[in-house]
Amino acid sequence: AQTVTQSQPEMSVQEAETVTLSCTYDTSESDYYLFWYKQPPSRQMILVIRQEAYKQQNATENRFSVNFQKAAKSFSLKISDSQLGDAAMYFCAYRSAGNNNDMRFGAGTRLTVKP
Amino acid sequence: GAGVSQTPSNKVTEKGKYVELRCDPISGHTALYWYRQSLGQGPEFLIYFQGTGAADDSGLPNDRFFAVRPEGSVSTLKIQRTERGDSAVYLCASSPFRGSSGYTFGSGTRLTVV
Repeated sequence: AQTVTQSQPEMSVQEAETVTLSCTYDTSESDYYLFWYKQPPSRQMILVIRQEAYKQQNATENRFSVNFQKAAKSFSLKISDSQLGDAAMYFCAYRSAGNNNDMRFGAGTRLTVKP
Repeated sequence: GAGVSQTPSNKVTEKGKYVELRCDPISGHTALYWYRQSLGQGPEFLIYFQGTGAADDSGLPNDRFFAVRPEGSVSTLKIQRTERGDSAVYLCASSPFRGSSGYTFGSGTRLTVV
């Protein structure tokens, strides 16, 4: 079974600076998808960024980018120019491209943004 | 609808009671998922529906938990003889069956068993 590990329970960043959240995963599959979700206190999980495993190019969405290292099974999230609204729980997730279609999540990283 | 709707938003029940949690997915999404999120944890997979059938129910913790999706749209998660350990946020999500798109989540139901 696939597992997702987030080794940083909490992270803190100064407003306008850059922070990187770590994620590693374990799988024997070659085709899959990786995601970062943001969960504010409202509880709703919001998709931040996604990466297809077959793509070598790292995904980017405005201030959010990933460093995808397939061989190392690593998928870190970089947030540039951090804003107060970025404060939330961040979850890394893995989804198989095969018939087993469900998504597996890490335990999350709580990000605090200091003004 | 425009998003995934879950009702109720919060539910407090007494130990031993029966509860139903409802999820209304995005129109046209054939896949529907239930997750349970305990305090300070990531969402834990419970069950996945493809259309009306449960394609994977391997995450249901025991036979007190059951879910249905009779018409391939709205789903109900049912918990019998609730226990205090069932207290958690229950999240529902939907997605197109295949593809690289992530799930669209609802805001969850916070269940508290007292």
